[in-house]
Amino acid sequence: EIVLTQSPGTLSLSPGERATLSCRASQSVSSSYLAWYQQKPGQAPRLLIYGASSRATGIPDRFSGSGSGTDFTLTISRLEPEDFAVYYCQQYGSSPPRFTFGPGTKVDIK
Amino acid sequence: QLQLQESGPGLVKPSETLSLTCTVSGGSISSSSYYWGWIRQPPGKGLEWIGSIYYSGSTYYNPSLKSRVTISVDTSKNQFSLKLSSVTAADTAVYYCATRAGTAPYYYYYMDVWGKGTTVTVSS
Repeated sequence: EIVLTQSPGTLSLSPGERATLSCRASQSVSSSYLAWYQQKPGQAPRLLIYGASSRATGIPDRFSGSGSGTDFTLTISRLEPEDFAVYYCQQYGSSPPRFTFGPGTKVDIK
Repeated sequence: QLQLQESGPGLVKPSETLSLTCTVSGGSISSSSYYWGWIRQPPGKGLEWIGSIYYSGSTYYNPSLKSRVTISVDTSKNQFSLKLSSVTAADTAVYYCATRAGTAPYYYYYMDVWGKGTTVTVSS
């Protein structure tokens, strides 16, 4: 079973700053199977990035994903007020098929 | 545009079975996605995948819940459902249904369409 670890647990930043969120897997993960989601209070998660680096439809280009193997990163180049939220990474395991989410990183206003 | 809507009782008694339905609109459940799934989120906590059903009819469940979970599809109603038996207070959560509707190649696995979620409380 692959376990995902996200760091930091909380990131306190100001609007306009750059946010760098980490997702580390306990075993190598195919990049095709790595996704990132944003969740705001009272809302369902929203897909931001799939395939480790492909932006989902309608996602602003200030969001970018990178990484491979066991280390993946979500970067928000310049934080907008609406970006303060919790971010989850997700991986897919194929044998047997299953989805796993990381514990999340909360980005809050400094 | 594919949309999902969860429905079901908001309150379930301990030891009983939680039953939820996800209604699919904007497309056919038979052809709009490769897989359909359920995810839950206990109050103040993170996301937990419960299980998924694939277009082939195959189902896969979170090992921690496998003995209590059943996911099925009703193509005549364009719905899929979740049953979780022998519930306890630990099953109190917001339950989401979700699917992959995007046009990315089949080898990408993610969920880009989510229902709004339904809160289920387990209490006597």
